[in-house]
Order: sequence, then structure tokens, then C-alpha cells
Amino acid sequence: DIQMTQSPSTLSASVGDRVTITCRASQSISSWLAWYQQKPGKAPKLLIYKASSLESGVPSRFSGSGSGTEFTLTISSLQPDDFATYYCQQYNSYPVEFGQGTKVEIK
Amino acid sequence: EVQLVETGGGLIQPGGSLRLSCAASGFTVSSNYMSWVRQAPGKGLEWVSVIYSGGSTYYADSVKGRFTISRDNSKNTLYLQMNSLRAEDTAVYYCARVRYCGGDCLDYWGQGTLVTVSS
Repeated sequence: DIQMTQSPSTLSASVGDRVTITCRASQSISSWLAWYQQKPGKAPKLLIYKASSLESGVPSRFSGSGSGTEFTLTISSLQPDDFATYYCQQYNSYPVEFGQGTKVEIK
Repeated sequence: EVQLVETGGGLIQPGGSLRLSCAASGFTVSSNYMSWVRQAPGKGLEWVSVIYSGGSTYYADSVKGRFTISRDNSKNTLYLQMNSLRAEDTAVYYCARVRYCGGDCLDYWGQGTLVTVSS
């Protein structure tokens, strides 16, 4: 099975900050990676797919990059609505695996 | 508008059975791949199962042989039959629609239903 490792686990930032979250796969997954945002008590929401494709309706301040085993999610200017937990997910093969999550907190 | 509504969660004793339902609207369940994903309290996301439009099914090792994913095309509803439940199955269970993103990403999710396995 492919293991996904996110870093950091928690990130403290201020409104307006540029934020970067990293996700590493235990083996190459090409570009078959998605990013999700989850707020407390809510279902996850798809932000990015195929490593860098922005889901319809998602603000352009979110971007994704990477391929192979190293991926990043960047929020160019953090907004109050962005404080949440973010998960990466590989879908190169089953079982699909999620990273352990990165909680973005208010500094 | 795409909507997914899960029902069927609750408190169940270890060893018991429960069936979760996921009623879909705005699209046809049988024409799509559909998945179940769970989240233990305070923990991350764990993929549970998928059913393909052709009927093929796949399961996480942690639930294989105990859980069964199925659908009722006439009701446009997805199910998860959970048998031999264990304390570690305690989680919020989400159904999600799979979209082809070069592979299976999850574009719509339900609000989740909580399953608590405890004596």
C-alpha cells in the first residue's frame, strides 16, 4: 500500500500569510493526488485534483504542485475562511490513502 | 444540485450489525463510482470501500469480509452493510461520489453519520 505523509501536522499562521503544506508518497503516484479541506463537524471538500488542477468554485489563492512523490498545497494569502484541516489523498491505486492531515490554526 | 444524505448510524454493541444508507439526488448512483470513507473521532480520513458502476467492489483490509457495499438503483441509494462490528469501527461514515480525475477523486460528500460501537 502507498503511504502518505503530510507536514507539518499543525501550522499557525495569520490572515494574509502565504502557507505551504507538504505531502509525500511512499512511492511514485505520478500526478494522481487530491487535496481536501475539512472544517469541524463538516464533510471534506475537494480543492485540488491531479496535483495542480483547481476544482470549480475554489478560490484561486489555492494552488497545488508536484509529481512523483513530493507535492505541495499553497494558500497564497490566508483568509479567515481558510482555517481548517487539509488532507492529501493519493488515487494512483487502491487502497486510496489519505495523509494524516494538517491543521491550519490562527496565530 | 448534487446531494448525498447518509442515515443509519447509531450506538451498537460489539459484534453487532448495522446498515448505513446514502440517498443521492441530482445524479444517478448506478452510473457513477461511489465510495465510503470514515473518520474516527478526532482522527484523519480512512477510505473504506468503493463500488464501480459495473458492480465491482473493493474494500480496505480493515473491513474486508465484514462490510459489504451495495446499491439500489430503483432508490438511487448506496448502502454499507457492517457486520461483526468492533470498537475500532467507531467513526463518522461519509458516502462520496467518485469522479474520474485521472483516477478516483471524491467530488461530493454527504454530511456523515456517526457509528458508535460500544457495550
